[in-house]
Amino acid sequence: KAGVTQTPRYLIKTRGQQVTLSCSPISGHRSVSWYQQTPGQGLQFLFEYFSETQRNKGNFPGRFSGRQFSNSRSEMNVSTLELGDSALYLCASSIQPPNEKLFFGSGTQLSVL
Amino acid sequence: DAKTTQPPSMDCAEGRAANLPCNHSTISGNEYVYWYRQIHSQGPQYIIHGLKNNETNEMASLIITEDRKSSTLILPHATLRDTAVYYCIVRVGGNTGKLIFGQGTTLQVKP
Repeated sequence: KAGVTQTPRYLIKTRGQQVTLSCSPISGHRSVSWYQQTPGQGLQFLFEYFSETQRNKGNFPGRFSGRQFSNSRSEMNVSTLELGDSALYLCASSIQPPNEKLFFGSGTQLSVL
Repeated sequence: DAKTTQPPSMDCAEGRAANLPCNHSTISGNEYVYWYRQIHSQGPQYIIHGLKNNETNEMASLIITEDRKSSTLILPHATLRDTAVYYCIVRVGGNTGKLIFGQGTTLQVKP
């Protein structure tokens, strides 16, 4: 069974641009959550989706948004990029909440210049 | 936000048991405790979880105190490959709340 797939693996953007990251969960998993990881702040929760509905949201500005499709694939979007948005963005899937046995992808490393 | 407290770092000699503590004093009765680890540049990896009974799998053992306010992850024979950041997590706000990772414990296994 294929694992969680995140694309792209690396991304370089400039300030002010927007970016869309993609996550394909493990087949049969209906819950997807997103995390931002930086050296200073560690792993910070962004959102959690289940059955195309946002179930929870972390303490991030409105520039960070996400969605989940009917096939459980998810995307997150960051608009008006700032230097501080440079981070590893991790996606995790699980069968359904509240199941905390998460399977993580390898992440998308975003660099904002 | 975090409901868990862990020491920032620990050392362990190779071949010895590594005991990683976690405090979750505000945990609710039906909330599980989960442990993950993250090796540099990889996504976190699930290790083990438990509710009230001690649990063991091929990777580790989990000891949960009777009052459920704390737990200990035990790696019985630590190897250099166990060097990682270990996270103890619970869901903040019950089963409908947010899943929050704390700062974790950096475990350094030394030869």
